[in-house]
Amino acid sequence: TQLLEQSPQFLSIQEGENLTVYCNSSSVFSSLQWYRQEPGEGPVLLVTVVTGGEVKKLKRLTFQFGDARKDSSLHITAAQPGDTGLYLCAGFGGTSYGKLTFGQGTILTVHP
Amino acid sequence: EPEVTQTPSHQVTQMGQEVILRCVPISNHLYFYWYRQILGQKVEFLVSFYNNEISEKSEIFDDQFSVERPDGSNFTLKIRSTKLEDSAMYFCASSEQGRGAGELFFGEGSRLTVL
Repeated sequence: TQLLEQSPQFLSIQEGENLTVYCNSSSVFSSLQWYRQEPGEGPVLLVTVVTGGEVKKLKRLTFQFGDARKDSSLHITAAQPGDTGLYLCAGFGGTSYGKLTFGQGTILTVHP
Repeated sequence: EPEVTQTPSHQVTQMGQEVILRCVPISNHLYFYWYRQILGQKVEFLVSFYNNEISEKSEIFDDQFSVERPDGSNFTLKIRSTKLEDSAMYFCASSEQGRGAGELFFGEGSRLTVL
């Protein structure tokens, strides 16, 4: 069974601060995705990383896939109140048909 | 923008009753999925479906669960005899690609409460 451990579970910071969310596993994933989920809605895809060592940037968000494809991180620079929400990492195993393994999520609160 | 729609948004049922949750995937998608999220827990994979058959299912997806694509647009999840522990948010998703790094588009979820 593949597991993804996401940390921290809760993060409360002031506007303008930087933060990093981590997603770790002992298993190798063929790709890893980060989602954002708003209350009462389904997860919405932010990014997919596929290659070990890959770094992707989405405005103030930087996503990294570990060299061994077992871990990933999400870094937000100069956080804004609009970044507040639940962030989820999820990984695809090598042979799965859409079977995503999700981390437990990080609830981010950015205070003005 | 195309989206996955789910009905009902919330269903309350008595233990032992049958429940059908409905989903309309994005029209040109070929792969369909059900996930669930028990309150305070991780989102969990239940089942994937392609070409009118189950591609993969988790250990959660036991004989009480079934999926069907009764027509060209709907994708349903049936729980035959609900248990208290089936209370959760159920998410339907669809994708163009089946394997690997394809993007899954999730619906807003159906909250099932079993009393």
